Amino acid sequence: DSGVTQTPKHLITATGQRVTLRCSPRSGDLSVYWYQQSLDQGLQFLIQYYNGEERAKGNILERFSAQQFPDLHSELNLSSLELGDSALYFCASTMTGGGTGELFFGEGSRLTVL
Amino acid sequence: KNEVEQSPQNLTAQEGEFITINCSYSVGISALHWLQQHPGGGIVSLFMLSSGKKKHGRLIATINIQEKHSSLHITASHPRDSAVYICAVVAGNTPLVFGKGTRLSVIA
Repeated sequence: DSGVTQTPKHLITATGQRVTLRCSPRSGDLSVYWYQQSLDQGLQFLIQYYNGEERAKGNILERFSAQQFPDLHSELNLSSLELGDSALYFCASTMTGGGTGELFFGEGSRLTVL
Repeated sequence: KNEVEQSPQNLTAQEGEFITINCSYSVGISALHWLQQHPGGGIVSLFMLSSGKKKHGRLIATINIQEKHSSLHITASHPRDSAVYICAVVAGNTPLVFGKGTRLSVIA
C-alpha cells in the first residue's frame, strides 16, 4: 500500500460527458502529479500541484483541468469526453516539489469512454 | 527534447536467469527513476538514482551519468518478477519523462 488513494477505480461513461477523478496523497506529501497511460502512448505527464499551487504542466488538454485543495487532495476534471480519453489515470505524490523525491503512486482510475 | 529509450521492449526469461534492462536518455538529468507496473496496473517505485548504484533484495540499479545510461538488473529471476519495468528521468525543473517500458515475462 503506497498510501496514495485514488477514486473511482473504474469509470465507464459516454462521449461528451464530464467526470472527476480524485486523489488523496500520502500523509505529509505536498506534491501531487497526474499522469495518463493509454495503450499506445505509455505514461504521459499531465500536471503537477505543490501545496495548492500549480507547479508544472505537461500535455494536458484544454478540456481537462485540475486543482489541489487546502487538505492537499487533488481532483482531475475531464470534460467533453472523447473515445480517445479512455485510459488509466494515475496520481502520484511526493514530499518535495522537484522530481528528485521518491514517488508514491495510486492504483489508478481506469476510464472507459463509450 | 529529452528522450528516454529502453531496451529490450520485451524480454522472456527462464526462472533463475540474470536479467538486465537498459535505459538511455538524451539530456543531462538530476534523477532517474525505475518503476514496476504489474499486470493489474499498479505502479511501484523501485529506485531513484542520481549517481552510482543501489541494491534492494534481488534488484540492482546502476547509472552512468557521463554515458547517460542506466541499467536495472534482476538476479535469480522469479515468475513474480513478471511485470513492465519503466525508466523515467527528471531534467532540471521539467517533470518526469518516461520510457515506453520493458515487458518482462519470467517462466517457471
